[in-house]
Amino acid sequence: GAVVSQHPSRVICKSGTSVKIECRSLDFQATTMFWYRQFPKQSLMLMATSNEGSKATYEQGVEKDKFLINHASLTLSTLTVTSAHPEDSSFYICSATPGNVGETQYFGPGTRLLVL
Amino acid sequence: RKEVEQDPGPFNVPEGATVAFNCTYSNSASQSFFWYRQDCRKEPKLLMSVYSSGNEDGRFTAQLNRASQYISLLIRDSKLSDSATYLCVVNPGNNRKLIWGLGTSLAVNP
Repeated sequence: GAVVSQHPSRVICKSGTSVKIECRSLDFQATTMFWYRQFPKQSLMLMATSNEGSKATYEQGVEKDKFLINHASLTLSTLTVTSAHPEDSSFYICSATPGNVGETQYFGPGTRLLVL
Repeated sequence: RKEVEQDPGPFNVPEGATVAFNCTYSNSASQSFFWYRQDCRKEPKLLMSVYSSGNEDGRFTAQLNRASQYISLLIRDSKLSDSATYLCVVNPGNNRKLIWGLGTSLAVNP
């Protein structure tokens, strides 16, 4: 149980384009999902907390207009990187929790984004 | 003081060794604790939750010391496949988001 999928697993795009990443909880309902970013040899960095039916909560320093989050259902959250630039190249990972915000998180396999 | 602190390592140990990691946390009201494992270029995976009475799963044992505000992870009979980064995670309570340590790197050598 507690499986989270993420799509696509890998994407290469040109600078200036937008990229959408989907995160799905496959066997449980997730009121809350989280989006992280991880640069090579660095730790996970929480970008935003995605709440079903309401606006996402962004961490300090994360631009909400650049990283659009939509949590339209209890099993799906999307992250759109708008007007991507090479510095946005990173490993984007989502997680979901079947419980409250502070409970166990289950991670998707991540999306590796490369912006040329 | 950071909310969650871990020794980044790396810890280099031979196969078969026993290795222990500690993780300290600053908020005494923290409610629950977790150890995650992250392999290179992969997502974190839950290794175990940490209960007040300790938790053992095969070669892995996690302990909680509330008085000193730390949790530990003990790995016995290390395998090559145990090489990874081990992340300490704390639930601060009050429906707040989890707080992640920066991780401890372990390399098990043949």
